[in-house]
Amino acid sequence: NAGVTQTPKFQVLKTGQSMTLQCAQDMNHEYMSWYRQDPGMGLRLIHYSVGAGITDQGEVPNGYNVSRSTTEDFPLRLLSAAPSQTSVYFCASSYSGQGTYNEQFFGPGTRLTVL
Amino acid sequence: AQSVAQPEDQVNVAEGNPLTVKCTYSVSGNPYLFWYVQYPNRGLQFLLKYITGDNLVKGSYGFEAEFNKSQTSFHLKKPSALVSDSALYFCAVRYRSGSARQLTFGSGTQLTVLP
Repeated sequence: NAGVTQTPKFQVLKTGQSMTLQCAQDMNHEYMSWYRQDPGMGLRLIHYSVGAGITDQGEVPNGYNVSRSTTEDFPLRLLSAAPSQTSVYFCASSYSGQGTYNEQFFGPGTRLTVL
Repeated sequence: AQSVAQPEDQVNVAEGNPLTVKCTYSVSGNPYLFWYVQYPNRGLQFLLKYITGDNLVKGSYGFEAEFNKSQTSFHLKKPSALVSDSALYFCAVRYRSGSARQLTFGSGTQLTVLP
């Protein structure tokens, strides 16, 4: 199993540009999520999905869109990049059902810089 | 609302000495509690979790954590630290019930084990 994969590893954008961060998992996990990591702030939830076709907002959703057309993929779209979106982005997945106690598996991250 | 606090940004310990990384939580119900570790330029890795039952939880790499309901704490411990334990450690909490798909992370504690 490849686990959770993310592409690209690094990205530099100019203000106003759009892009999509890719996330895929091969563990047949129902639950997938996107976090951003900023120094001194831990990880903050952007969006999450409990299954194909179902998404919801997390703590910091503004400026980001998600969709979940398949179990495996959960892309994160930046609509119009802003310098405040400079961060490290992590995708994670876990089993769902009653398993809010199930641990999450994290991808290696995407380091995004917005100029 | 659920929250988790890691009161120490940095913990230094000599190799071979016991280590403790502190975590306190705030939830209105019964929590699920987790510890994750992040090595440089990597995603988070699951260490251990408390669901119910025995208050002392054992996890990966010789780590353990003690759930203390009266003090609302979940401190991470290891009897004998290794230089390779140096990393960023995150505590996280989740509600057991409701729409609790969200995992709330602390701000992280940088552990440095000195040779």
